[in-house]
Amino acid sequence: DAKTTQPPSMDCAEGRAANLPCNHSTISGNEYVYWYRQIHSQGPQYIIHGLKNNETNEMASLIITEDRKSSTLILPHATLRDTAVYYCIVRSAGGTSYGKLTFGQGTILTVHP
Amino acid sequence: NAGVTQTPKFQVLKTGQSMTLQCAQDMNHNSMYWYRQDPGMGLRLIYYSASEGTTDKGEVPNGYNVSRLNKREFSLRLESAAPSQTSVYFCASSPRTGGTDEQYFGPGTRLTVT
Repeated sequence: DAKTTQPPSMDCAEGRAANLPCNHSTISGNEYVYWYRQIHSQGPQYIIHGLKNNETNEMASLIITEDRKSSTLILPHATLRDTAVYYCIVRSAGGTSYGKLTFGQGTILTVHP
Repeated sequence: NAGVTQTPKFQVLKTGQSMTLQCAQDMNHNSMYWYRQDPGMGLRLIYYSASEGTTDKGEVPNGYNVSRLNKREFSLRLESAAPSQTSVYFCASSPRTGGTDEQYFGPGTRLTVT
């Protein structure tokens, strides 16, 4: 699975959009980009995933660049409850990496009042 | 939907004691997983079950056994607990459809072995 690079921390004002970047320059054609978050002391929470096209769900939007070497997770209206560690994970669908979510250091997002 | 539930939430064991961590999901997912998370560390996969009736070792299986009791339930057993197994244990499930496997996690069991 491709390695990812995320900034260690980011701040955001409540009500504003939070844009969390992720670099994955070695991504290969069959690898998906997944985003999870972990709020303190809770289990990780799946947010969104995508392959090539931009994706949106009730939680967030995922923007993947045309060359797929980077992506941005967008929380459109951040709230205090969005304060968490956000993980960008790149992995192939199935195969030998099945089930092996590798959580790196992630980005600590702090949403301020 | 309760999603993924885990029991107990907290447990303290003495070295050498045994216990079983229970996990259940009500999302009709095919696959289930057990992870551990040590303080300040990422998650490490212990065992997983791709489908009912199958189980496979993950990254750190030593000292653990699992049972996929049915499609809903996946238990993790520590036969002889050791202080190195002090950790937070998370169970997860995934629908495993279309080749992708987004995982949904339970709230965790915080285990201390003294």
